[in-house]
Amino acid sequence: QQQVKQSPQSLIVQKGGISIINCAYENTAFDYFPWYQQFPGKGPALLIAIRPDVSEKKEGRFTISFNKSAKQFSLHIMDSQPGDSATYFCAASRPVGYSTLTFGKGTMLLVSP
Amino acid sequence: DSGVTQTPKHLITATGQRVTLRCSPRSGDLSVYWYQQSLDQGLQFLIQYYNGEERAKGNILERFSAQQFPDLHSELNLSSLELGDSALYFCASSVPGTSNTGELFFGEGSRLTVL
Repeated sequence: QQQVKQSPQSLIVQKGGISIINCAYENTAFDYFPWYQQFPGKGPALLIAIRPDVSEKKEGRFTISFNKSAKQFSLHIMDSQPGDSATYFCAASRPVGYSTLTFGKGTMLLVSP
Repeated sequence: DSGVTQTPKHLITATGQRVTLRCSPRSGDLSVYWYQQSLDQGLQFLIQYYNGEERAKGNILERFSAQQFPDLHSELNLSSLELGDSALYFCASSVPGTSNTGELFFGEGSRLTVL
């Protein structure tokens, strides 16, 4: 059972455009929702994260929008740049401490110059 | 550089063989996680250790086993290898206890190719 569903699988955006990646989860016990960025040949690295007590979190050009009732959250990349080309994973976990992250299957983003 | 070290970076072996992947967590991190990354399944959680004890188990096959040693490094053992075990294996670590923000720090992975 896939607990975190991510779409699209791949995405091509022109430089300066907005990249949007969506995720949906099933487990209402999840309370931590991070996004990880992975460049080729590297391990994933935390990009931005949100908890369900807020509906939006912004860090620079990256914004997470969170809809608790719909059990959905999304990553928006404003003014997308070629350097943003990477694979993006959404994830979710139950209360922090010893819980583990469940990842979506990833979105390959290509920002064309 | 995340501070998590994984060896070897690349490994090519034959079906039926056994391999060991090694991970050194960031200094001070007590938890070690193993993930398998394949094109069709994404990042699949295998197993977690905390200060030497198994803490959580995910989709880990019975042919696979892991342990965390007193110096906190961890090893993932893969045996009776099959073609389908070819994948990237990631180790991650996290800050212990109340300082844990939930962030995982990933190594650069070990790419296993089974021929």
